[in-house]
Amino acid sequence: AQSVTQPDIHITVSEGASLELRCNYSYGATPYLFWYVQSPGQGLQLLLKYFSGDTLVQGIKGFEAEFKRSQSSFNLRKPSVHWSDAAEYFCAVGNTGGFKTIFGAGTRLFVKA
Amino acid sequence: DTAVSQTPKYLVTQMGNDKSIKCEQNLGHDTMYWYKQDSKKFLKIMFSYNNKELIINETVPNRFSPKSPDKAHLNLHINSLELGDSAVYFCASSQRPPTGGLANEQFFGPGTRLTVL
Repeated sequence: AQSVTQPDIHITVSEGASLELRCNYSYGATPYLFWYVQSPGQGLQLLLKYFSGDTLVQGIKGFEAEFKRSQSSFNLRKPSVHWSDAAEYFCAVGNTGGFKTIFGAGTRLFVKA
Repeated sequence: DTAVSQTPKYLVTQMGNDKSIKCEQNLGHDTMYWYKQDSKKFLKIMFSYNNKELIINETVPNRFSPKSPDKAHLNLHINSLELGDSAVYFCASSQRPPTGGLANEQFFGPGTRLTVL
């Protein structure tokens, strides 16, 4: 069965500093991986996704993520965080056939001035 | 134009009541979902429908009954509401991939915050 672990419940970074949010997955086949962001009081929005090919994927809002099969990881990064990036971030893995996506527990990002 | 919309945005009700939440998507997607997000932000899938057919039912109490009158709508009816049903409920949609194909990204509605007193 597929599963996703986000080890950090919350992270605080200074504005302008770099960011890395960790995600580890478990899935028997080729994983389909996603990062979503949820701003307070909003629904989830897709930041980026990985299906195959280049293991470094670029997303919206300056985010990128790197797929590392050997580590079963799909960490999200941003070189310089903006105050507007404060939100909840969810890593997710989808199964072949596409009907079931499992979400991690989320990492809350706080940005300090 | 809102891609995935839900009504109502807030719902406050008494224990034991029956209530419905409506969801509509104008993206032309084949697949729709209901998720429950608890107070710790944990997001759990409840149901998935593809072309009005139930595909996934994740051990949800049978007090919860989804209904899909057409591909663009997926409503959630809840009978005999309990305190533990208090949560934010999200509707989402995606384009169904070809058989054996890729899991597609989902588009989420703004959520319905249900409070059971």
